[in-house]
Amino acid sequence: EADIYQTPRYLVIGTGKKITLECSQTMGHDKMYWYQQDPGMELHLIHYSYGVNSTEKGDLSSESTVSRIRTEHFPLTLESARPSHTSQYLCASSESMDRGQYFGAGTRLSVL
Amino acid sequence: GDSVTQMEGPVTLSEEAFLTINCTYTATGYPSLFWYVQYPGEGLQLLLKATKADDKGSNKGFEATYRKETTSFHLEKGSVQVSDSAVYFCALNRGGGYQKVTFGTGTKLQVIP
Repeated sequence: EADIYQTPRYLVIGTGKKITLECSQTMGHDKMYWYQQDPGMELHLIHYSYGVNSTEKGDLSSESTVSRIRTEHFPLTLESARPSHTSQYLCASSESMDRGQYFGAGTRLSVL
Repeated sequence: GDSVTQMEGPVTLSEEAFLTINCTYTATGYPSLFWYVQYPGEGLQLLLKATKADDKGSNKGFEATYRKETTSFHLEKGSVQVSDSAVYFCALNRGGGYQKVTFGTGTKLQVIP
């Protein structure tokens, strides 16, 4: 059983609010990822990290930012939420790429 | 660049029917191939994987064989159950130190009693 946790599971906020989506894993994995999943199910990589103090932007342009101060923690922040940010956000981690990724349960964000 | 193409859904089957979800890929190098499953309201779970040509990944009655000659990794199950209703994603990592995964668009499976 993978140990990767996302909070909150659901979030409804107003436009312009600052929010942070939390992601933590207890497996000691160096690699962590944030994906945005649209209603049509497709996954889009928005950020990833190789390890502490390393972060990279993904394939989909995003107004969010991430940090990686501790191995186990990879939070995603939106400074000013907009309705276009409404989506499901999935966090994942990996020990090595040939072993696959472990996913959290996701955060479903609605911005009104 | 890398790409994964999987059959469009939704796929609707009766319980105990045979399942095939097609997946083909394009990638440089020698990719590792994966199938993930996403149940309603949850994140993705790794279902099975194969890391080299002719390898067969299997789990929970599902199987997929890495076919390099046809660049395919089709998912099969001999007898589906209602509990298999979910979205299935084919994915690859090209290897060689590349740190990202390329996902297909997902295939929704609905199994009816």
